[in-house]
Amino acid sequence: EAGVAQSPRYKIIEKRQSVAFWCNPISGHATLYWYQQILGQGPKLLIQFQNNGVVDDSQLPKDRFSAERLKGVDSTLKIQPAKLEDSAVYLCASSPRSTGSGANVLTFGAGSRLTVL
Amino acid sequence: DQQVKQNSPSLSVQEGRISILNCDYTNSMFDYFLWYKKYPAEGPTFLISISSIKDKNEDGRFTVFLNKSAKHLSLHIVPSQPGDSAVYFCAASWIFIGGTSYGKLTFGQGTILTVHP
Repeated sequence: EAGVAQSPRYKIIEKRQSVAFWCNPISGHATLYWYQQILGQGPKLLIQFQNNGVVDDSQLPKDRFSAERLKGVDSTLKIQPAKLEDSAVYLCASSPRSTGSGANVLTFGAGSRLTVL
Repeated sequence: DQQVKQNSPSLSVQEGRISILNCDYTNSMFDYFLWYKKYPAEGPTFLISISSIKDKNEDGRFTVFLNKSAKHLSLHIVPSQPGDSAVYFCAASWIFIGGTSYGKLTFGQGTILTVHP
C-alpha cells in the first residue's frame, strides 16, 4: 500500500510570497488532515476534510491560509502571504474511517518543510 | 494552553534496558491516547494506543499505561534497541456525540529517545 505522498519536500520563500503544498492520501481514505509542526513543538491540526467537505477548520488562519480537497482525493494547502512564523513542517495525514477509535490512527506523509525568510 | 505535555525533552538509555516516556494531560475530556514515533525527515508513524476504559495496553516490546486520576500516561519499551532511537509524541483525542472529533489529535512536544549500543 502506497503511503501518503506530499510535495514539495522543501520550500524556501521570502515573507509576503505565496506557497502551495500538495497531498495525495492513501487510496480509499476518506478523511484527510493538514497539521502544522513548528520546530520543537508537536503537530497542530489546521484542517480536517471528510471526502471533499470541510469538517473542521477552526484552527486555520483563514486570512492567509486556504485548503481544498477537490473530488475528495488530493488536497492542496496554500499560504498567501507568508509570514516568518509560518516556517514549519506541514504534515498531511489520512485515515480510512471517520468514526470509531480507528479514526484516530492517522497515517502521516513525510511533510513539506517551509522556510520563510 | 498546552493540554498535552511531555516534560522530558530527551531521554538516553542503554540497549537492552527499559525506556520510560511520560506524558501528562489537562483536558479531562480526552479519552483516547496514542503514541507516535518519528524518525528524521519522515512523518510520525503510529505506535500504540489506549482507550480510557483500559489502564494498560501491550504490543510486543511496547506497553502503554494510563492513569486517569493522575491524567498521566507512559510508554514503556522493553528491551530498548538502537533502532528505537527517534522522537516520540504522545497524542490525545476525545469522542463526543456526532463523532467529528475523531482524528483531531492534540500532540505533546515530543521526547527524543536515544538508545546507545
